[in-house]
Amino acid sequence: GNSVTQMEGPVTLSEEAFLTINCTYTATGYPSLFWYVQYPGEGLQLLLKATKADDKGSNKGFEATYRKETTSFHLEKGSVQVSDSAVYFCALSGGTSYDKVIFGPGTSLSVIP
Amino acid sequence: DADVTQTPRNRITKTGKRIMLECSQTKGHDRMYWYRQDPGLGLRLIYYSFDVKDINKGEISDGYSVSRQAQAKFSLSLESAIPNQTALYFCATSDQWTSGRANEQFFGPGTRLTVL
Repeated sequence: GNSVTQMEGPVTLSEEAFLTINCTYTATGYPSLFWYVQYPGEGLQLLLKATKADDKGSNKGFEATYRKETTSFHLEKGSVQVSDSAVYFCALSGGTSYDKVIFGPGTSLSVIP
Repeated sequence: DADVTQTPRNRITKTGKRIMLECSQTKGHDRMYWYRQDPGLGLRLIYYSFDVKDINKGEISDGYSVSRQAQAKFSLSLESAIPNQTALYFCATSDQWTSGRANEQFFGPGTRLTVL
């Protein structure tokens, strides 16, 4: 079945550091890929998405590229801020199942001044 | 006003009690979902519904039931709560699937449930 694997956290970075959170997936067909972010005390919200191979999703300085050859969708940001402290979830939908979204376990990020 | 609301936001109850969590949405979406979040496990799907007459089990439906009272309302019940149902519960909605939207989910703020 479809699945998503993320790097384990927690991740702690200093402000202005470079961020990479790795995400790989297993799916048949051609799924769509997402990154969701959960700020403390809130629900998840979509950060960015890519719906086909080689697409790059971007938002708020974050980027991720859909790499079908490596089944990956790594999240990157060039310079993190304290306000980026949150839990980040990689997710997929589609492929052979259009009914559901499969979420990874989440990666907690803390950015210190 | 929030597009997806959940009530209550926090609830503490005792083992064996019946609990209902409610979700309402103003986004006009047909699809609604219930998830639970546990540390290190991400979000796991409990039930989902694509319209009022359509209810589907997710990966962890045992011990839960749902009711889709209207397009805008989807409630989750724990008939007899047990301590390992202590978790954060989220309701979500999505629009009809298209290649562009691809099941993008819109989440409520969550309900923190503690079963003693």
